[in-house]
Amino acid sequence: DIQMTQSPSSLSASGGDRVTITCRASQSIVSSLNWYQQKPGKAPKLLIYAASSLQSGVPSRFSGSGSGTDFTLTISSLQPEDFATYYCQQSYSPLLTFGGGTQVKIK
Amino acid sequence: QVQLQESGPGLVKPSETLSLTCTVSGGSITNYYWSWIRQSPGKGLEWMGDIHYRGSTNYNPSLKSRVTLSVDTSRNQFSLKLTSVTAADTAVYYCARLVRGALAQYFHHWGHGTLVTVSS
Repeated sequence: DIQMTQSPSSLSASGGDRVTITCRASQSIVSSLNWYQQKPGKAPKLLIYAASSLQSGVPSRFSGSGSGTDFTLTISSLQPEDFATYYCQQSYSPLLTFGGGTQVKIK
Repeated sequence: QVQLQESGPGLVKPSETLSLTCTVSGGSITNYYWSWIRQSPGKGLEWMGDIHYRGSTNYNPSLKSRVTLSVDTSRNQFSLKLTSVTAADTAVYYCARLVRGALAQYFHHWGHGTLVTVSS
């Protein structure tokens, strides 16, 4: 299995802050990495696919980068609606796996 | 806009079979792959398997001996069966459409999720 490790597991930030979340794969996954946002009681929502492609309708303050084993999700200016948990997911292996999540909390 | 809705019992007894159905509306089930994903506090998000509208399947090896996916194109539905359940199978179960892109496979369009509790 390809293990996905996210860091930090949680962070506190204020509105307007630039936030960076990291996802590391246990082996190279090239660019087969996706990011999701999940709010309490809701299903995850796709933000970024193939490491850096912004899903249609997702605000441009969200961006993804990286390749190989190290990936980053950046929120350029945190908005109130962005407080949520973020997950990465790899699809390089036929066994699709998720990271453990990063909770973004209000400071 | 495609919408997915899970349905099935919210309570299942240990050792019995968990059965859920996902109904797709606002679009056809054909030409796509469809997945089940579950989320429990102890294991986070876990992909269980996916099924093509023509019936070919891929399963998570950790569940392969217990999980079966099926599809009913006439009803625009696909289903999950998980046998011999234990308390560890207590989770929120989501159905989702799996997009198999050139560079990545990702879950686009999710159901709201349904909580299934395994308890006697």
